[in-house]
Amino acid sequence: GENVEQHPSTLSVQEGDSAVIKCTYSDSASNYFPWYKQELGKRPQLIIDIRSNVGEKKDQRIAVTLNKTAKHFSLHITETQPEDSAVYFCAASISGNKLTFGGGTRVLVKP
Amino acid sequence: DAGITQSPRHKVTETGTPVTLRCHQTENHRYMYWYRQDPGHGLRLIHYSYGVKDTDKGEVSDGYSVSRSKTEDFLLTLESATSSQTSVYFCAITSDSLGEQYFGPGTRLTVT
Repeated sequence: GENVEQHPSTLSVQEGDSAVIKCTYSDSASNYFPWYKQELGKRPQLIIDIRSNVGEKKDQRIAVTLNKTAKHFSLHITETQPEDSAVYFCAASISGNKLTFGGGTRVLVKP
Repeated sequence: DAGITQSPRHKVTETGTPVTLRCHQTENHRYMYWYRQDPGHGLRLIHYSYGVKDTDKGEVSDGYSVSRSKTEDFLLTLESATSSQTSVYFCAITSDSLGEQYFGPGTRLTVT
């Protein structure tokens, strides 16, 4: 089955700096890669996703890149703000079903 | 929040007792899932359903069963709860139109 590795497990950045989280996946058939943000005690919230026919996608301060050949994808957060502090999860699947999640990255944005 | 509710939201039970968690959705999505979330393990798929009476196992299905007799309800049952099943349980759906997966609010289960 699919295996997703996520790094780093924790990330501390200064407010205004950029944050980058990287994930690798094992199943070349995976074609859908969402990212979730989870605040303490809350449900995971979908923040951005990318499908395998696209190399990059942006939404305001967040962007995701996908390298199908290397089987890795990354989340980029620019101009970080304190409200970006949360745990972020990457995931991979075939067509949006049966997501396999990475282990999560705890992001702390220091004011 | 894709019209997903979970009940109960919190439950404390004793080892060996049966427990059923309910996930309810209002938008008739075909796919529904149960995940558990534990520190150090992220989110792991327990079981999923791709239609009424159609279910399949995920990566951590031992000790759990599911049922889906109606499109809107997906039940997760722990036949005989153990302390290792103390966790936060999330239900999710895949939007039929968007192909995106959305989560319910979660159920915190403690087995003493």
